[in-house]
Amino acid sequence: EPEVTQTPSHQVTQMGQEVILRCVPISNHLYFYWYRQILGQKVEFLVSFYNNEISEKSEIFDDQFSVERPDGSNFTLKIRSTKLEDSAMYFCASRDDRYYGYTFGSGTRLTVV
Amino acid sequence: DAKTTQPTSMDCAEGRAANLPCNHSTISGNEYVYWYRQIHSQGPQYIIHGLKNNETNEMASLIITEDRKSSTLILPHATLRDTAVYYCIVRARYNFNKFYFGSGTKLNVKP
Repeated sequence: EPEVTQTPSHQVTQMGQEVILRCVPISNHLYFYWYRQILGQKVEFLVSFYNNEISEKSEIFDDQFSVERPDGSNFTLKIRSTKLEDSAMYFCASRDDRYYGYTFGSGTRLTVV
Repeated sequence: DAKTTQPTSMDCAEGRAANLPCNHSTISGNEYVYWYRQIHSQGPQYIIHGLKNNETNEMASLIITEDRKSSTLILPHATLRDTAVYYCIVRARYNFNKFYFGSGTKLNVKP
């Protein structure tokens, strides 16, 4: 069964550093998403991306965050200057245009120290 | 998108059917009911969705009441691996963007 692949599975970074979280969506999928989950809290929507542009973003997704599809296979989330409160699991997801649910990756655990 | 209400937690004996309720009394005509689950800290996993008819797939069955104000997800023979948080989400048909994940129901399957 096709999978959404996320790397790395765990990243530790110092406060103020830039991080890039990487995702390889399912190959024929056209819509891409990032969600995050702070430990013990709900899964929260960050951003959706279609046709090389952001289609919706939440209030969490401020100027410190950006997304990019640098080539035909990768989808990245960049946090420019990490804060302690950015520590969370970050989930990438993708879907095709025939199906209303989507497939999530297994996540990247980001720890900011 | 309509709000949903789910019990915080439920227990189920291994091998028995798990019936997870969801109330969505403010659902509107173009909104679908989706179920996802999250096992430990893994990414949410799609289970099933429906509009008004009952649906069944290899994982579960979804029973939606005639007035569509509530639904039940049924895992016919729960196993220990079905222990997870189950999310009931209502979303408009043409909202292709976010899903709102609430607190869900923690299902504990016990031997």
